[in-house]
Amino acid sequence: GNSVTQMEGPVTLSEEAFLTINCTYTATGYPSLFWYVQYPGEGLQLLLKATKADDKGSNKGFEATYRKETTSFHLEKGSVQVSDSAVYFCALRNTGTASKLTFGTGTRLQVTL
Amino acid sequence: DVKVTQSSRYLVKRTGEKVFLECVQDMDHENMFWYRQDPGLGLRLIYFSYDVKMKEKGDIPEGYSVSREKKERFSLILESASTNQTSMYLCASSFAGRTGANVLTFGAGSRLTVL
Repeated sequence: GNSVTQMEGPVTLSEEAFLTINCTYTATGYPSLFWYVQYPGEGLQLLLKATKADDKGSNKGFEATYRKETTSFHLEKGSVQVSDSAVYFCALRNTGTASKLTFGTGTRLQVTL
Repeated sequence: DVKVTQSSRYLVKRTGEKVFLECVQDMDHENMFWYRQDPGLGLRLIYFSYDVKMKEKGDIPEGYSVSREKKERFSLILESASTNQTSMYLCASSFAGRTGANVLTFGAGSRLTVL
């Protein structure tokens, strides 16, 4: 079946540091991949997505590249801000699964001044 | 902006009570979902619906049922609440079809405590 594995958190960084949150997946076929973000007290919001191999999703300075050869979709940002503190979820949607997403366990990011 | 509204942000119920969690979306989405979110487990799909009166079980449907009598409203029902159903419940919706189906819009969540 489908599964998503994320690095354990929490990740604590100083402002302006470089961020990487690792995500690998297991799926048959050609899934679409997503990063969602959950700010404190809020629901999840789509951060970025990629629908085929070698696609790069980007938004708000965050990037992730769909790597089929390593089954990975790592999230990166060159310079984090305190406002990026949130929980980040990697997810996949496989073809023919009627929009159902399979989520990873989430990685909490804490950015300090 | 698409809005997904969950009626209660915080609920406290007793074991054995019947619990209703309501979700309403205002963008005419065909698909609606109920997830539960637990620390260390991420989000797990309970039920989803792709049309009025249609429903399908997700990964953890035991102890839950759902109702979708109108397109905009999707209710999650705990027939007899138990302490292991203490959790954050998230409702989401999306359009059907290949492109729209890729993006889920989530509500703010309902935190349920069962004593």
